[in-house]
Amino acid sequence: EVQLVESGGGLVQPGRSLRLSCAASGFTFDDYAMHWVRQVPGEGLEWVSGISWSSSNIGYADSVKGRFTISRDNAKNSLYVQMNSLRAEDTALYYCVKGNHYDNTGYLDAFDIWGQGTMVTVSS
Amino acid sequence: DIQMTQSPSSLSASVGDRVTITCRASQGISNYLAWYQQKPGKVPKLLIYAASTLQSGVPSRFSGSGSGTDFTLTISSLQPEDVATYYCQKYNSALTFGGGTKVEIK
Repeated sequence: EVQLVESGGGLVQPGRSLRLSCAASGFTFDDYAMHWVRQVPGEGLEWVSGISWSSSNIGYADSVKGRFTISRDNAKNSLYVQMNSLRAEDTALYYCVKGNHYDNTGYLDAFDIWGQGTMVTVSS
Repeated sequence: DIQMTQSPSSLSASVGDRVTITCRASQGISNYLAWYQQKPGKVPKLLIYAASTLQSGVPSRFSGSGSGTDFTLTISSLQPEDVATYYCQKYNSALTFGGGTKVEIK
């Protein structure tokens, strides 16, 4: 069964840091781009960041550029995002998401598998 | 940045009705468009990619069309299990979602 399991969310003060992790299983992890997408409960979807299978292509939403860093460890079938200088507006449910196309050399893709998400709350 | 505008933001239709949701890009995006369905309390599900390619396992009552700036998602015969919010997403450059369309049963 294809599965993505996020962890690392929680309550954090503004200006502090948090690292989210995503454990992937059920597919060949290093064949696909991976992404983080967030959603404020009751609101719409916002793409946060994406990384190609080789980590050679990486992209960020303008809202997180310079503060968030995405990375992956193909040997551990894991995706990460380091979130620094957190703001109240970063409060959301963060989903780990798999790119749809096999061997996409970039990260631009539709998303076919979503984790259940991990909640990040930034508040003092 | 290319903006994605969905309309309507919500709709109510009867079971069996044909439902159409539109998504307009502020600039041309070729066919780099996907549609997702998010049921209440659930994670989003990919319905269509490349504007018109049905994802495996998605019922054939769902279809997508369009290219360039104007796209549509059509549900040919609305079913109770189709109650959800539907999002379009472009993926030709920056990945951007539309604002969503909430579909309810009348």
